[in-house]
Amino acid sequence: GQQVMQIPQYQHVQEGEDFTTYCNSSTTLSNIQWYKQRPGGHPVFLIQLVKSGEVKKQKRLTFQFGEAKKNSSLHITATQTTDVGTYFCAGERDSNYQLIWGAGTKLIIKP
Amino acid sequence: DTGVSQNPRHKITKRGQNVTFRCDPISEHNRLYWYRQTLGQGPEFLTYFQNEAQLEKSRLLSDRFSAERPKGSFSTLEIQRTEQGDSAMYLCASSLMMEWKDYGYTFGSGTRLTVV
Repeated sequence: GQQVMQIPQYQHVQEGEDFTTYCNSSTTLSNIQWYKQRPGGHPVFLIQLVKSGEVKKQKRLTFQFGEAKKNSSLHITATQTTDVGTYFCAGERDSNYQLIWGAGTKLIIKP
Repeated sequence: DTGVSQNPRHKITKRGQNVTFRCDPISEHNRLYWYRQTLGQGPEFLTYFQNEAQLEKSRLLSDRFSAERPKGSFSTLEIQRTEQGDSAMYLCASSLMMEWKDYGYTFGSGTRLTVV
């Protein structure tokens, strides 16, 4: 069935280093959404990308949607301890406007 | 409106008992979703409603699970004859679907179910 693969599963970084997570869909998506879940918390909506090749920025976060609308990435510049959590991508399909979730990438700041 | 509200926050039940969870979505939102999440995993879709109509139910969901959304407002999720494998965080989310565009989900804090 339709899937969204997200890598890596974990990423350990030193505070101040950059972080990137990637999502790939087996089929074209109508849009892709990104969520952040802090430890012990619930997913919180970050952004939605709709257009082919779209790039959006939120302070140190940069989100990209691929030209074919099958892949997306989230890049965080100069990570801070407040960035810790799991980042999920979720792609929406046109057929019934349901979200297909990636497995998430856990950002861990090394002590 | 302070967001999506879920009750209870925690529920411990004995295997074989029935449990019911409640979700109050954001009032302007017309879509309501139920997800299940276990530790280290992403949200797993259970079912969703558009207004009062239940439009889709996961094939993974057994007949022990049922959800309702009377009058298109709050929703309840019932699990009958609970099993230890049902232990998880049950998340509710709502969203506004308008002109075939979804504007992102707002999740509640979840109900953590422990079946002993």
